[in-house]
Amino acid sequence: GIQVEQSPPDLILQEGANSTLRCNFSDSVNNLQWFHQNPWGQLINLFYIPSGTKQNGRLSATTVATERYSLLYISSSQTTDSGVYFCAVERGVTGGGNKLTFGTGTQLKVEL
Amino acid sequence: DAGVIQSPRHEVTEMGQEVTLRCKPISGHNSLFWYRQTMMRGLELLIYFNNNVPIDDSGMPEDRFSAKMPNASFSTLKIQPSEPRDSAVYFCASSKGTGGGWQPQHFGDGTRLSIL
Repeated sequence: GIQVEQSPPDLILQEGANSTLRCNFSDSVNNLQWFHQNPWGQLINLFYIPSGTKQNGRLSATTVATERYSLLYISSSQTTDSGVYFCAVERGVTGGGNKLTFGTGTQLKVEL
Repeated sequence: DAGVIQSPRHEVTEMGQEVTLRCKPISGHNSLFWYRQTMMRGLELLIYFNNNVPIDDSGMPEDRFSAKMPNASFSTLKIQPSEPRDSAVYFCASSKGTGGGWQPQHFGDGTRLSIL
């Protein structure tokens, strides 16, 4: 199956700092999504971004499908950004059904 | 609009008992997914349905696990008999498929299952 690697595994930031999280995948994909799991365990969909760049407030994401990676940018981090960030992908096969394979995540802690 | 609704939020039961987890997807979504999350294995897809039909159950760990989707607004995941190693957080997610691709998956709050 497809391999999804995320880096760094852990990250500690001071409030207000910027960061970049990376997701590498081993095969071509037609579907890539970023999720945030907050400290209460809820999984929130941040972006559906199989290619290109999207922005939502302080967050933005870029996927370079030809080079098999995606980046999640967090600017002016806040304590509420703490949690685990997951990248999830689906191989670029015909008839794919949104069947996602999740990476192991980046654990982010934002401190005052 | 209501999100994906799962019940119960927490379940504690003894080994050997039957466990039934429930999920109501977002109205209008035609795909439904069951995941399991553990520290050791992370987030794993167990099974997914499209238009109420099971499409891929290759992630179901063994015959003790079964899932049904009798209609577009309800799905169950059943474990019988349960074992301590089934302890995990079980998530349900739904999405809407379109001709041009797939929409984001939206997750419920999960069921935290503990088998004693």
